[in-house]
Amino acid sequence: DARVTQTPRDKVTEMGQEVTMRCQPILGHNTVFWYRQTMMQGLELLAYFRNRAPLDDSGMPKDRFSAEMPDATLATLKIQPSEPRDSAVYFCASALLGFTSSYNEQFFGPGTRLTVL
Amino acid sequence: SQQGEEDPQALSIQEGENATMNCSYKTSINNLQWYRQNSGRGLVHLILIRSNEREKHSGRLRVTLDTSKKSSSLLITASRAADTASYFCATVDRGNTPLVFGKGTRLSVIA
Repeated sequence: DARVTQTPRDKVTEMGQEVTMRCQPILGHNTVFWYRQTMMQGLELLAYFRNRAPLDDSGMPKDRFSAEMPDATLATLKIQPSEPRDSAVYFCASALLGFTSSYNEQFFGPGTRLTVL
Repeated sequence: SQQGEEDPQALSIQEGENATMNCSYKTSINNLQWYRQNSGRGLVHLILIRSNEREKHSGRLRVTLDTSKKSSSLLITASRAADTASYFCATVDRGNTPLVFGKGTRLSVIA
């Protein structure tokens, strides 16, 4: 059955290291979202893509975070250099949207739990 | 962007009882959605209600929307232990900005 996959599921790294998280959206979905979830801030939208083009990444710290979609089956979120405050669960979600549709159901991946020591 | 705010933050009930969670938001919306998150998992879409709808049902779920009060409620009837999870509301505004989530209601259903 179709689902969003994310790798790795867990990542422990040291401050200053580069972290790359990957997401495979549901085949045929044209919109991909990256979220970060912490106890304090809840679920924050970091960036989203439509048809592989970045639409908005205003929620993302630009100096260290970058998000890309090298192809329709892969989205990446990179942090370089990582800091302890980046520790969170990062979710990818995908959706199928038409040009005149509003945002409807999003399908979430299982998340990547990142711990930066 | 706006953020839905759920109330209460936490709710504990006995199995078989009904659970009601509320969501308030600030600006005009296109639609409002409810999601569930089990511990350690991603969010799962439950139900969507559009701004021109007042009530919607899906199985044991009932969602209402009052656009004049900018609020929505999610009712889970005859709750089960498996309903234990966090529940989030999320809104899409008139400008079609993607979902902005609240911090959720943690529901515990005790068997």
